[in-house]
Amino acid sequence: QSALTQPASVSGSPGQSITISCTGTSSDVGSYNLVSWYQQHPGKAPKLMIFDVIKRPSGVSNRFSGSKSGNTASLTISGLLAEDEADYYCCSYAGGSTPHWVFGTGTKVTVL
Amino acid sequence: QVQLVESGGGVVQPGRSLRLSCAASGFTFTNYAMHWVRQAPGKGLEWVAVISYDGNNKFYADSVKGRFTISRDNSKNTLFLQMNSLRAEDTAIYFCAKDLGDVAVAGDFDYWGQGTLATVSS
Repeated sequence: QSALTQPASVSGSPGQSITISCTGTSSDVGSYNLVSWYQQHPGKAPKLMIFDVIKRPSGVSNRFSGSKSGNTASLTISGLLAEDEADYYCCSYAGGSTPHWVFGTGTKVTVL
Repeated sequence: QVQLVESGGGVVQPGRSLRLSCAASGFTFTNYAMHWVRQAPGKGLEWVAVISYDGNNKFYADSVKGRFTISRDNSKNTLFLQMNSLRAEDTAIYFCAKDLGDVAVAGDFDYWGQGTLATVSS
């Protein structure tokens, strides 16, 4: 049950687009379209931003989009805003014989 | 609106036990699986355990299997995490989280509590 790999940090200027990668294996990200993304501001609980790779919960801005190719999922934030500065975590179902989930290592997004 | 309120955290010595609770409101608790997710200070998120809507199915991360037990009381809309044989590495904020799926487990955590801190230290 190893953590998925994310870049430690990503930065961009307001209005730009950034992409965060989330690399797993053929046992998790590569096997299931069950990747979700969470935004966490300091001292706060995480917030669901994307589920099932590409779906957005009601109320989440369409500036956030998800995708997947092979063992790597990605989160793209377009039209970057100051309020997007936060930590972001991916999460994947990693089923097999016993259902379980694995999170990514986390990415700090900085808005320059 | 959906509310999840954790309690029961505190400071405990290695090898001792702690029981966390999560009081749920604002949704039909009996229809949804529930999860515990933890976050060590300054570290990332780690999924801990899930329990099905009816309490009949429970699954755990390898790191806590055999030591932690997840349970629920649907009559009281409350989720629990019994933590035994605690270790220093169990020190974390423990969040309860509602599963997005109705009855079926989706594994997407659409509502979270604010967390309760459990510190394991001698």
